[in-house]
Amino acid sequence: DAKTTQPPSMDCAEGRAANLPCNHSTISGNEYVYWYRQIHSQGPQYIIHGLKNNETNEMASLIITEDRKSSTLILPHATLRDTAVYYCIVRGRNDYKLSFGAGTTVTVRA
Amino acid sequence: DAGVIQSPRHEVTEMGQEVTLRCKPISGHDYLFWYRQTMMRGLELLIYFNNNVPIDDSGMPEDRFSAKMPNASFSTLKIQPSEPRDSAVYFCASSGGDRGKGKRVEKLFFGSGTQLSVL
Repeated sequence: DAKTTQPPSMDCAEGRAANLPCNHSTISGNEYVYWYRQIHSQGPQYIIHGLKNNETNEMASLIITEDRKSSTLILPHATLRDTAVYYCIVRGRNDYKLSFGAGTTVTVRA
Repeated sequence: DAGVIQSPRHEVTEMGQEVTLRCKPISGHDYLFWYRQTMMRGLELLIYFNNNVPIDDSGMPEDRFSAKMPNASFSTLKIQPSEPRDSAVYFCASSGGDRGKGKRVEKLFFGSGTQLSVL
């Protein structure tokens, strides 16, 4: 059962911000939103996660709506190396499994 | 730390042969996961361990698949006998529960994967 919905693909211009949406309308109060990405031929890489507050780290920012039914991952200055499949995952606090959906294929163009 | 190390990087075998994939997790991590990735099915969790004990193997496709973790620094995924439909990239990942803001953060670190081709 899909807990998240993401657009299958999106393009972004190099140097511009990339805003990746994710819908998780059935998220419950103790579930976190995690983002991973997978660059071609590599294993997935953790980006960021959050519960209800907005989060920022050296890679990206995560904006979660007040009702927590959707979120946006922001790559502030996309580079060609950010071309990858981005996965939005909802995960329970005591759930150690991560279930990956189809993700969003992001292509950064020069 | 060198990260999660998987071997071999590529494996080509014939149908019916036994295949063993290996994984060395990051030192100190207490969770280990085996995933399989195909174009058709995406990334699927096969099995995961906590402190070397299998916790959930519901994703293991059938009895031909088995996984072991004899100690904290080594795990294997075995397929016997192998079939062409087992062709996929197999990823191992480990998690150590980084302490972010006082709470355990489950951040998985993935290996580079093993590309398995069964002819």
